[in-house]
Amino acid sequence: DGGITQSPKYLFRKEGQNVTLSCEQNLNHDAMYWYRQDPGQGLRLIYYSQIVNDFQKGDIAEGYSVSREKKESFPLTVTSAQKNPTAFYLCASTPLEGHNQPQHFGDGTRLSIL
Amino acid sequence: GQNIDQPTEMTATEGAIVQINCTYQTSGFNGLFWYQQHAGEAPTFLSYNVLDGLEEKGRFSSFLSRSKGYSYLLLKELQMKDSASYLCAVRGTGGGNKLTFGTGTQLKVEL
Repeated sequence: DGGITQSPKYLFRKEGQNVTLSCEQNLNHDAMYWYRQDPGQGLRLIYYSQIVNDFQKGDIAEGYSVSREKKESFPLTVTSAQKNPTAFYLCASTPLEGHNQPQHFGDGTRLSIL
Repeated sequence: GQNIDQPTEMTATEGAIVQINCTYQTSGFNGLFWYQQHAGEAPTFLSYNVLDGLEEKGRFSSFLSRSKGYSYLLLKELQMKDSASYLCAVRGTGGGNKLTFGTGTQLKVEL
């Protein structure tokens, strides 16, 4: 079945540590996105990518980094510079063609501080 | 930029109808999406509006008025499993198919 796979489901970070969240899609979608969701809040865009080897900052990119070396993969690194990383992280993808195409989401990664 | 407002919480009775409103102020508009999100899970797509009017999909309908910057999601014949957060999201005209999400409306369906 086609879909978006995020791993791990739960992740713990120590002080000063970088951690990487995986996002893989087999939907052949061009665009991929990373969002952060805090309790009682909407989704906020961290980074997005429309094409391989290119990505753009979203609204809250500080303390995060991404890469897009393959169409299927868009990993997110939460660096030690992100002082409040505890949140639910969601990856999404969508085709760029077709005006009515929704973003499809993975099941999320919940990141906590040890 | 985009600003999206939704009520924080709503409560309704099983079998009833509920309307969840969303108002937005945007510098560019290229469609409005509604998503359902159960606690701890991924959002799932419910509906899309880009032209004024009503879109119906089974028990769910969504309405858009672009001149008023207003949309609503109508849920009929409410079931307990409809208890979830409902997210309104607007796509701008800046490219990349980016969405700006509201904070979501937590709907509780009671017996």
